[in-house]
Amino acid sequence: DVKVTQSSRYLVKRTGEKVFLECVQDMDHENMFWYRQDPGLGLRLIYFSYDVKMKEKGDIPEGYSVSREKKERFSLILESASTNQTSMYLCASSGLFATNEKLFFGSGTQLSVL
Amino acid sequence: RKEVEQDPGPFNVPEGATVAFNCTYSNSASQSFFWYRQDCRKEPKLLMSVYSSGNEDGRFTAQLNRASQYISLLIRDSKLSDSATYLCAPYRNTDKLIFGTGTRLQVFP
Repeated sequence: DVKVTQSSRYLVKRTGEKVFLECVQDMDHENMFWYRQDPGLGLRLIYFSYDVKMKEKGDIPEGYSVSREKKERFSLILESASTNQTSMYLCASSGLFATNEKLFFGSGTQLSVL
Repeated sequence: RKEVEQDPGPFNVPEGATVAFNCTYSNSASQSFFWYRQDCRKEPKLLMSVYSSGNEDGRFTAQLNRASQYISLLIRDSKLSDSATYLCAPYRNTDKLIFGTGTRLQVFP
């Protein structure tokens, strides 16, 4: 069974901390994505990656960075966490022909920044 | 205007009813469209893909109207297990899947 695994289900951090959210997929997918989901705002794309060491900004990249050193792993980094980054973070992956393929999502990380 | 718009609901319907949701999108270049289902506190999962005028899968029918730039999802013979949030997702260009805020469906006995 295909799998996208996010390292933590719940995370509590303090303002100003550096936060790493890890995502691993076992499907040999080229494309990986980070979304955040907030009530009333839906899923918003933060960053995505087509390939190892490649990254593209999504709609709300401010305050975030990403790293993709290996094909199966895509990390989201909050350099200095702020309270407005409290959210549900969802990682997803898809195959090469992204427009014809569905996204597989991880189960999400609920991040609280205090 | 939002890129993808959905009525947030909730739509409260009895078991056995037929219910339809609409989703409008602003990017006329979008070619592929998807409906995802998201249960409470769970990740979204693909329900249906729509590449041409429509698609049908059992009790679920998705239709695309390119001229008016909307897609619809019809659910026939609603089940209690259909209760969820339904997310509309068109591809913005060739690589970015953009989601609506979702329509919440509650099916009651």
